[in-house]
Amino acid sequence: SQTIHQWPATLVQPVGSPLSLECTVEGTSNPNLYWYRQAAGRGLQLLFYSVGIGQISSEVPQNLSASRPQDRQFILSSKKLLLSDSGFYLCAWREKGNTDTQYFGPGTRLTVL
Amino acid sequence: DAKTTQPPSMDCAEGRAANLPCNHSTISGNEYVYWYRQIHSQGPQYIIHGLKNNETNEMASLIITEDRKSSTLILPHATLRDTAVYYCIVRQYSSASKIIFGSGTRLSIRP
Repeated sequence: SQTIHQWPATLVQPVGSPLSLECTVEGTSNPNLYWYRQAAGRGLQLLFYSVGIGQISSEVPQNLSASRPQDRQFILSSKKLLLSDSGFYLCAWREKGNTDTQYFGPGTRLTVL
Repeated sequence: DAKTTQPPSMDCAEGRAANLPCNHSTISGNEYVYWYRQIHSQGPQYIIHGLKNNETNEMASLIITEDRKSSTLILPHATLRDTAVYYCIVRQYSSASKIIFGSGTRLSIRP
């Protein structure tokens, strides 16, 4: 069966520090991968998605970036965090084909101080 | 993707059926209705989806009206663990498959 992992589970970082969040998927190959962010009390906002290795589409211009160095690995990064980057970061995957169901990871709660 | 309208909050007694409505009056013929839920501090969880026929799985039932302009998610025997925000999403299949989540319905199950 497929599983999706995210780490760390929680993170507290100072403003201006770098960020690296990792997401890995097991049990599937060549999935679509997604990064979402949820600010406190708000809905989910799509940040990036990837249909393959090295292919990244950005939905919202900001100081975050994403990379997909391996088929089942998706990384969210920042060179300098802002206070507004605080939130709950969720990674999701979806099998290619005629199914449109996305499966979400447990999330990383980031607090920028 | 078509826009959806859901009540911001609902409550239901434990053990009773929870019926969550969703309006999607601008849905087009190739768009599916999806339901996800998000329990506090967890990632969203897929529940069910359908095109025009009613669907049932181990978690819930999905009733779609004949004109497809609205649907209802039914949790047949709600438990306290069903307390969550429920999202109704209407979308057509695409290679990128970007889900746009609205504000959903906050369902509270009372003992």
